[in-house]
Amino acid sequence: EAGVVQSPRYKIIEKKQPVAFWCNPISGHNTLYWYRQNLGQGPELLIRYENEEAVDDSQLPKDRFSAERLKGVDSTLKIQPAELGDSAVYLCASSPWGGSFVQETQYFGPGTRLLVL
Amino acid sequence: GNSVTQMEGPVTLSEEAFLTINCTYTATGYPSLFWYVQYPGEGLQLLLKATKADDKGSNKGFEATYRKETTSFHLEKGSVQVSDSAVYFCALNLDSGAGSYQLTFGKGTKLSVIP
Repeated sequence: EAGVVQSPRYKIIEKKQPVAFWCNPISGHNTLYWYRQNLGQGPELLIRYENEEAVDDSQLPKDRFSAERLKGVDSTLKIQPAELGDSAVYLCASSPWGGSFVQETQYFGPGTRLLVL
Repeated sequence: GNSVTQMEGPVTLSEEAFLTINCTYTATGYPSLFWYVQYPGEGLQLLLKATKADDKGSNKGFEATYRKETTSFHLEKGSVQVSDSAVYFCALNLDSGAGSYQLTFGKGTKLSVIP
């Protein structure tokens, strides 16, 4: 079974430029998550999708971040414009049912390492 | 709010040494508890989990017991190997108050095992 796929793996941009990250979850997983992991920290949730619907985006900085999950499968996370403080690893995860089960495991992709200069 | 506190790293051990990584949590309710591991250049992967008090999760020689009375979930392994070198994250899953469950992670503990 293929795992969560993310691209690109690395991205270097100048501040004020736009950037986009792509995620393909495990087949059949209804729930998709985007996390940001700053250096030396644990991942922090940005947004959670149940199928096509963003059901928890309370921690997404909506002035510059946006996300979409068309057809309830792949997802794209965008930053426009990027700031120096956005340098981090952006992780995508998926799970079969997401918010319904406290014991459910999330499956993570390898992440995209973003460096903003 | 919910939070997880892990012992700070890095931790450096010799091969075959005993490992303990402490994890305590604060939560309003009854969370499930997880240990995730991140090997160099890879994404996080589940190492083990426990869903209720006194449960013991185990995998690959690692163990952790859900202790409700001390709000702890310490990770242990009797004999570490060089291949165990990675960053270990303790996490809890609990109702975020928005009608769904949300993983909250600790800061991670980097383990280096030397031959």
